Amino acid sequence: KQEVTQIPAALSVPEGENLVLNCSFTDSAIYNLQWFRQDPGKGLTSLLLIQSSQREQTSGRLNASLDKSSGRSTLYIAASQPGDSATYLCAVHTGTASKLTFGTGTRLQVTL
Amino acid sequence: DAGITQSPRHKVTETGTPVTLRCHQTENHRYMYWYRQDPGHGLRLIHYSYGVKDTDKGEVSDGYSVSRSKTEDFLLTLESATSSQTSVYFCAISEVPHEQFFGPGTRLTVL
Repeated sequence: KQEVTQIPAALSVPEGENLVLNCSFTDSAIYNLQWFRQDPGKGLTSLLLIQSSQREQTSGRLNASLDKSSGRSTLYIAASQPGDSATYLCAVHTGTASKLTFGTGTRLQVTL
Repeated sequence: DAGITQSPRHKVTETGTPVTLRCHQTENHRYMYWYRQDPGHGLRLIHYSYGVKDTDKGEVSDGYSVSRSKTEDFLLTLESATSSQTSVYFCAISEVPHEQFFGPGTRLTVL
């Protein structure tokens, strides 16, 4: 059974810092990995999707990496802003129906 | 944003009553999913659909049933709601093997 772990569970950084969020998964037989953002009381917003054959994916200040063989992904956020404060979720796609298995998230607070 | 709506957005009901949640999409995506989100458990897959009238179970399907009679609609039914089904329910859509896009969620409270 696939298990996804995100460390740390919570993180507080001052504005302007670069930061890294970690995601690990137990079964390397994944199709893709997807990073989401969730604001309190809201739905999930897709940030990045990394195909299993890719090593990196970038969108603006966000960069996600994937090391499938070691079961790890990182989300790098450059020059953090208070608007980046949210919970970040990592999820792996498994099976032909691309079912998602989620981690429990990292709650990020960026302070002024 | 992907065209996904969920209804109702909030619902309070009593134990033992039937409840149906609706997910509607305008993207014509083949796959639709129902997840629940609970503190300490994260999001877990309840059921999914890979086409009209084609559905399958997810990780936490006990006590839930689904139906998909049209591409755009995916219904989740709690036949007899229990307090353990108090949760936030999210619908998602995708074209495999691409991104999943999520709806705004339905907050269900079972008293």
